[in-house]
Amino acid sequence: DTGVSQNPRHKITKRGQNVTFRCDPISEHNRLYWYRQTLGQGPEFLTYFQNEAQLEKSRLLSDRFSAERPKGSFSTLEIQRTEQGDSAMYLCASSPRTGEHGYTFGSGTRLTVV
Amino acid sequence: EDQVTQSPEALRLQEGESSSLNCSYTVSGLRGLFWYRQDPGKGPEFLFTLYSAGEEKEKERLKATLTKKESFLHITAPKPEDSATYLCAVQADGNNRLAFGKGNQVVVIP
Repeated sequence: DTGVSQNPRHKITKRGQNVTFRCDPISEHNRLYWYRQTLGQGPEFLTYFQNEAQLEKSRLLSDRFSAERPKGSFSTLEIQRTEQGDSAMYLCASSPRTGEHGYTFGSGTRLTVV
Repeated sequence: EDQVTQSPEALRLQEGESSSLNCSYTVSGLRGLFWYRQDPGKGPEFLFTLYSAGEEKEKERLKATLTKKESFLHITAPKPEDSATYLCAVQADGNNRLAFGKGNQVVVIP
């Protein structure tokens, strides 16, 4: 197992365009999380999946954001009509059922909106 | 709302100069307190989970401790490879999310 994989690593897009990021969690982990991190800040929670069910969403997740996890495997995070304020590192993490041993984070997708 | 405050924000250490990082937290029932290490351009790397006051965990030159209001990450005789941002996060009972602090940026000078 190579850990949590995120693609692409970097994305530059023009304001108003749509972007989609992908996360492949550790295969035996049924819990998947998305976080957003801006420069000099800690990660902020966006949303949480248990298997294919999206169980929790932060108020940070405006209606321009949508996340899916079909069949409880990989997940996608889509941002529609991107704004400059969306520029950030988008981090995906996964954990096993108990989540007691910490979440394993991916290396993130760096989004720059110009 | 769960809150985590880390101090100092930035710290420069000479190689071998031991120091401590502080994480103060408020949470409605602590399920776990987590320490992560983050290198520039990378995702956080898990270090420790602490569950109850008085608990301590060690890994190489790092030792984490927990009280009812704060946690400390002690760095003993640091080396340049210990340079990183150290993130503290809490998880509340019945909650699936982690609330992170802004991090302690540590630079160890040879």
